[in-house]
Amino acid sequence: GAVVSQHPSRVICKSGTSVKIECRSLDFQATTMFWYRQFPKQSLMLMATSNEGSKATYEQGVEKDKFLINHASLTLSTLTVTSAHPEDSSFYICSAPGQGVNEQFFGPGTRLTVL
Amino acid sequence: GEDVEQSLFLSVREGDSSVINCTYTDSSSTYLYWYKQEPGAGLQLLTYIFSNMDMKQDQRLTVLLNKKDKHLSLRIADTQTGDSAIYFCAENNYGQNFVFGPGTRLSVLP
Repeated sequence: GAVVSQHPSRVICKSGTSVKIECRSLDFQATTMFWYRQFPKQSLMLMATSNEGSKATYEQGVEKDKFLINHASLTLSTLTVTSAHPEDSSFYICSAPGQGVNEQFFGPGTRLTVL
Repeated sequence: GEDVEQSLFLSVREGDSSVINCTYTDSSSTYLYWYKQEPGAGLQLLTYIFSNMDMKQDQRLTVLLNKKDKHLSLRIADTQTGDSAIYFCAENNYGQNFVFGPGTRLSVLP
């Protein structure tokens, strides 16, 4: 079946640095990808919808200047956490819809730790 | 590995109640969730239940959990056309990855 990969799977960085997370659809094209964030002991929350060739759509309360999304090709979306702070530490997951009924393919997630 | 199952389709008449069912295999699941996905949009969290609860009610939504049978259900009272969407059941053991079901497409007929 279709696979979505994320890179890196785990990243530790210093406060104030920027971190880029990649989401790739490996054997299918995705004009839309979704970015989620999981807070400790909480559920997955949608952050933004990434659209190939156009601007991302952000959910209410998500700072678009903080979380930069670029969907430059039909198989790649990137999320850049700019000037990361410890409160940005979280598990970030991307997903892409497939062609079939109800299909939604999730990446394995990226755990970001900001020191 | 963990597995979450759902039926793929459900049709109901407007005004009736909808019941979407889900079964899971991981007995150590800590949290169980229901997400709603409207066409072209990402998943939105509807509600969740801790594994030590049997029931949770939130306005038109009622979640029932049978931990012994590993069965979760979502009941939507007075279903409206705006409830037409795909509903995903998911389970998570704190600190582990989410495991999502395949989604149930709910169609609300006038």
